[in-house]
Amino acid sequence: QKEVEQDPGPLSVPEGAIVSLNCTYSNSAFQYFMWYRQYSRKGPELLMYTYSSGNKEDGRFTAQVDKSSKYISLFIRDSQPSDSATYLCAMSDTGGFKTIFGAGTRLFVKA
Amino acid sequence: SQTIHQWPATLVQPVGSPLSLECTVEGTSNPNLYWYRQAAGRGLQLLFYSVGIGQISSEVPQNLSASRPQDRQFILSSKKLLLSDSGFYLCAWSVQGDTEAFFGQGTRLTVV
Repeated sequence: QKEVEQDPGPLSVPEGAIVSLNCTYSNSAFQYFMWYRQYSRKGPELLMYTYSSGNKEDGRFTAQVDKSSKYISLFIRDSQPSDSATYLCAMSDTGGFKTIFGAGTRLFVKA
Repeated sequence: SQTIHQWPATLVQPVGSPLSLECTVEGTSNPNLYWYRQAAGRGLQLLFYSVGIGQISSEVPQNLSASRPQDRQFILSSKKLLLSDSGFYLCAWSVQGDTEAFFGQGTRLTVV
């Protein structure tokens, strides 16, 4: 079993839709949870960062962490074509080094 | 502000040839530095990380090596490339003790 599972998609939605991206994990020691966005042929960029359980909102993006279920989510409201990218979840049990990444979900938002 | 530079963006190399990818960070001191490889559908695999000059930790056995000759310079090398070394290589940095990593633009390496 992989430490982090993420559906690779692709996920195709119409503009304006609410998008839900998810990851599950097996290591209960993970404390830091991140979402990265990666455009084609570019390096990933940090989108959201959450410590421990709970929700965090930033504009149209909301990150949720449910440690009891070992499940994290990223919601995108009012999705835009510019949101089309690969979204990678990542998590770590300590600061730095051993961050584990999901395989990434490809998202297409159609105008 | 901090920036990270990684080059070249694309590289095509024959099997058995050497490799040198360079990464530099500006605007910060004593960063943690990382080399990742990204394969389609498999996420990012950590290859090497460094907490200081000359300090390199390898995460997976492979045909590659890394060096950190200066505080903000990280180099990925190989003496003889294999076909299986093809992939998208990413350099990243983080503040010491932080989990958030900041990535370069990546190098697409094709070994032919």
